[in-house]
Amino acid sequence: KQEVTQIPAALSVPEGENLVLNCSFTDSAIYNLQWFRQDPGKGLTSLLLIQSSQREQTSGRLNASLDKSSGRSTLYIAASQPGDSATYLCAVRQAGTALIFGKGTTLSVSS
Amino acid sequence: GAVVSQHPSRVICKSGTSVKIECRSLDFQATTMFWYRQFPKQSLMLMATSNEGSKATYEQGVEKDKFLINHASLTLSTLTVTSAHPEDSSFYICSVTGGTGGTDTQYFGPGTRLTVL
Repeated sequence: KQEVTQIPAALSVPEGENLVLNCSFTDSAIYNLQWFRQDPGKGLTSLLLIQSSQREQTSGRLNASLDKSSGRSTLYIAASQPGDSATYLCAVRQAGTALIFGKGTTLSVSS
Repeated sequence: GAVVSQHPSRVICKSGTSVKIECRSLDFQATTMFWYRQFPKQSLMLMATSNEGSKATYEQGVEKDKFLINHASLTLSTLTVTSAHPEDSSFYICSVTGGTGGTDTQYFGPGTRLTVL
């Protein structure tokens, strides 16, 4: 059974720092991996989607990498801002299944 | 990307009542919809997969007689929490596959916050 783990569970950084969020999954036979952002009490916002054949995806200050063979992905946030404060969720999808989520990393960026 | 709506966004009910949550795909026909549940400070847990015109497939540990799912059309799926109890209080989120992102992308609704008193 696929399991997704995210480390750390929480992270606090001052504004302007670059940071890395980690995600690992137990079954490397994935179809794709997706990073989401969730604000308190809100739904999900998709940030980046990486197909199994890809190594990374970039969107603005965000860069997500995927090492399928080792079962790992990272989300790199450059020059963090207070508006980046949220919970970041990693999820993987296997063929024919729904996304399986990690528990998330709650990020707090102080000004 | 696809636009997915949920109604209501919030509901408060008394213990023992039933609550229906609607999930609509506004701009495309979704053959598959997923229902997730999220408890406070926890991640999203898949409850069931809803296929249009057929019975939903439930994940292990999810009571199908308590969480009734109906996917009667390609744009609407409903989740009914029957005889709700306080432990059912949670954030329920639906998701659909398809849309402009292709079948490999899941789009999520804004969620429904259920509070059972």
